[in-house]
Amino acid sequence: GNSVTQMEGPVTLSEEAFLTINCTYTATGYPSLFWYVQYPGEGLQLLLKATKADDKGSNKGFEATYRKETTSFHLEKGSVQVSDSAVYFCALRPMGTYKYIFGTGTRLKVLA
Amino acid sequence: GAVVSQHPSRVICKSGTSVKIECRSLDFQATTMFWYRQFPKQSLMLMATSNEGSKATYEQGVEKDKFLINHASLTLSTLTVTSAHPEDSSFYICSGGTSVSSTDTQYFGPGTRLTVL
Repeated sequence: GNSVTQMEGPVTLSEEAFLTINCTYTATGYPSLFWYVQYPGEGLQLLLKATKADDKGSNKGFEATYRKETTSFHLEKGSVQVSDSAVYFCALRPMGTYKYIFGTGTRLKVLA
Repeated sequence: GAVVSQHPSRVICKSGTSVKIECRSLDFQATTMFWYRQFPKQSLMLMATSNEGSKATYEQGVEKDKFLINHASLTLSTLTVTSAHPEDSSFYICSGGTSVSSTDTQYFGPGTRLTVL
């Protein structure tokens, strides 16, 4: 079946540190891959997405590359800010469907 | 981006009572709304999909008589947890989309935390 595995948090970093949040998936065919972010008290917001192998999604300094060979979609940012503190969810959507399969979420805390 | 609100943000109720959660799309018409449930340290699980004016489609294992979903307008969907029990305590999240297309973006609400005593 389809599933998403992401690293457990919380992840605590100092401001300007490099961020990696690992995400791997299991799916048949070619799913679309997503990263969503949830700030305190708000709904999940789409951060970036990729729809085919080797695509790189990017937004607000965050990047993730769709790696078919390693079934991964790791989230990276070169220099985090305190305002990046949030919960990050990796998700996939199988081909031809509207249903999301979410990971468990990773809480990021950035210290000044 | 489009905004989805939920009300209430948290609710505590006694076992055996029913609780209604509202989900509203504030600046777009949500033809389709989705209801998710999230247990602590677990991922969001899709419970049901509803289209405006139609009966909801429930995922396998979700009791439709327990979780009543109404999508009466293009901007409002409600989830009613009937005869709630402590095991129904969870975080409920809705999202709205303009279609069920696999390419359509869903916009998520902030969630409602339900605690059943």
